[in-house]
Amino acid sequence: DAGVIQSPRHEVTEMGQEVTLRCKPISGHNSLFWYRQTMMRGLELLIYFNNNVPIDDSGMPEDRFSAKMPNASFSTLKIQPSEPRDSAVYFCASKRTNTGELFFGEGSRLTVL
Amino acid sequence: GQQVMQIPQYQHVQEGEDFTTYCNSSTTLSNIQWYKQRPGGHPVFLIQLVKSGEVKKQKRLTFQFGEAKKNSSLHITATQTTDVGTYFCAARDNFGNEKLTFGTGTRLTIIP
Repeated sequence: DAGVIQSPRHEVTEMGQEVTLRCKPISGHNSLFWYRQTMMRGLELLIYFNNNVPIDDSGMPEDRFSAKMPNASFSTLKIQPSEPRDSAVYFCASKRTNTGELFFGEGSRLTVL
Repeated sequence: GQQVMQIPQYQHVQEGEDFTTYCNSSTTLSNIQWYKQRPGGHPVFLIQLVKSGEVKKQKRLTFQFGEAKKNSSLHITATQTTDVGTYFCAARDNFGNEKLTFGTGTRLTIIP
């Protein structure tokens, strides 16, 4: 059974460019989470969805960040315009509602020059 | 928002020595989970604790949830090189939502 699939695995872009990160959760999982990991701030929850509906986006840094989940099998995290301080590893994770375990994707490493 | 602190931030141990990481919250938790992240990898679920005072074991790993449900610990007996990585606790508050807040992590390195 495929795990959580993220793309791209690595992205290098220049400041001001738009970045779109993609995530396919595990089939049957109805909760999806976007986390950002940096050395300074650790693992931060950006936003999570239940049944494709955004529930808590209080961790989204600012208006430059947006996330969507148009259907149960796909989510995007967009940064527009990107800035060097957005450089981080972005993880997507999914789970079944009312179960504990989060399944993480392999992450998207973003570098903004 | 909820904060979950872990200590120590780093731990270097000789192979064969024991290792313990501690997780503390200022608020009462619904449950607590532990994850391991290998260098360059992604967090992988280890265990979930739900009950006050609960203790669970997985081979050389012992997990404990405090009586007040505000702290937890992970103890590894006789560390091996395969134990290298960062160990995170992750907490869900008592408000019934799915939000999982990760601790600051403890990075374990093993000296062979």
